[in-house]
Amino acid sequence: DGGITQSPKYLFRKEGQNVTLSCEQNLNHDAMYWYRQDPGQGLRLIYYSQIVNDFQKGDIAEGYSVSREKKESFPLTVTSAQKNPTAFYLCASRHTEGWYTEAFFGQGTRLTVV
Amino acid sequence: KNQVEQSPQSLIILEGKNCTLQCNYTVSPFSNLRWYKQDTGRGPVSLTIMTFSENTKSNGRYTATLDADTKQSSLHITASQLSDSASYICVVSPIGSGTYKYIFGTGTRLKVLA
Repeated sequence: DGGITQSPKYLFRKEGQNVTLSCEQNLNHDAMYWYRQDPGQGLRLIYYSQIVNDFQKGDIAEGYSVSREKKESFPLTVTSAQKNPTAFYLCASRHTEGWYTEAFFGQGTRLTVV
Repeated sequence: KNQVEQSPQSLIILEGKNCTLQCNYTVSPFSNLRWYKQDTGRGPVSLTIMTFSENTKSNGRYTATLDADTKQSSLHITASQLSDSASYICVVSPIGSGTYKYIFGTGTRLKVLA
């Protein structure tokens, strides 16, 4: 099955801990994105990558870090510097050839600070 | 500032009834407008995508319309089903962002009752 997979589905973080959210896709997409979703707000872009070994900050990158060592993988680390990390995190991917291409989303990871 | 506003915030209808969701945007110029369906706790799934030159696009019981002059789009759901209960998100892509950046609306939460 082709698709984009996020894990884990639920994640709990203690104060001061770093945690890493996994995002894997087998769609052969060049571009991958991380979004944060909070109640009553639209999705906000954290980081994006259009090619392996390259990534750019989005609108709310502070307290987050990413890597793109493989085309299929785009993990997101929520660091202790992120003061309000409790949210629903969504990963997406798409082809970069043509602006009309579809973006596919993973099923999300719900992160809760305990 | 590029914005996408959706109305109503929430909507309750009886099974079998039709409904229309609204999306007003200030993003200009834009290349395409998309409607996504997001089930609770899941990732968004694409329903329709329209370029700035298209007026309507259908996907089964879902029909999206676009008026680029008034910067409005609507999503019409015909003969609603219980499975239509979800959030519906309007997304606009600006031209020339170079990042395929999406501007997300906050969504309309639809509840279909038996």
